[in-house]
Amino acid sequence: ETGVTQTPRHLVMGMTNKKSLKCEQHLGHNAMYWYKQSAKKPLELMFVYNFKEQTENNSVPSRFSPECPNSSHLFLHLHTLQPEDSALYLCASSPVRTGGGSYNEQFFGPGTRLTVL
Amino acid sequence: GENVEQHPSTLSVQEGDSAVIKCTYSDSASNYFPWYKQELGKRPQLIIDIRSNVGEKKDQRIAVTLNKTAKHFSLHITETQPEDSAVYFCAEGLTDSWGKLQFGAGTQVVVTP
Repeated sequence: ETGVTQTPRHLVMGMTNKKSLKCEQHLGHNAMYWYKQSAKKPLELMFVYNFKEQTENNSVPSRFSPECPNSSHLFLHLHTLQPEDSALYLCASSPVRTGGGSYNEQFFGPGTRLTVL
Repeated sequence: GENVEQHPSTLSVQEGDSAVIKCTYSDSASNYFPWYKQELGKRPQLIIDIRSNVGEKKDQRIAVTLNKTAKHFSLHITETQPEDSAVYFCAEGLTDSWGKLQFGAGTQVVVTP
């Protein structure tokens, strides 16, 4: 699979578990995003990273912890989650124009379907 | 960007008919308006976008119109086909906002043969 990949595709975890979601993009983009997608709700932006620096934290609870070691990889570390955190977690990336700003088109990964028991 | 309202939430159309989805936004500074299509079990994919310097853009059976004064934009799908069945999301953003987009809640489009 090319473009934006995510692993695992499905994850079931208990509320006391610690797990991590991984996203990798092969498009040479410099901006990466985490979204939460719940049924009947808009895509909720969680975090934005540009050139490995976090530029947006959309009031996300601390039980979600992002990590961006380089422009190609993005992680979402999960601990002590709640059942209401069950959702599809989508990663996306987009190119960033030299000098700032972005072309805005976002390329999404296939998502990780998370179930918290 | 702030809230984006998208209507309708579901839309059922007969094959061959047209489908229209409308979104309204509140941030007058927004200048980029993409539409994403998400088929069942698949990732969202950009199908068309429009920037604030134009009022309409067309790509084969798909068109988007933008009314900056009224702060709304619409997706038009003509001659609908079964493969158009999907959830469609509108979004709005600023080209200088490091790619941050505000998405609508989505419209489930069902095209019946």
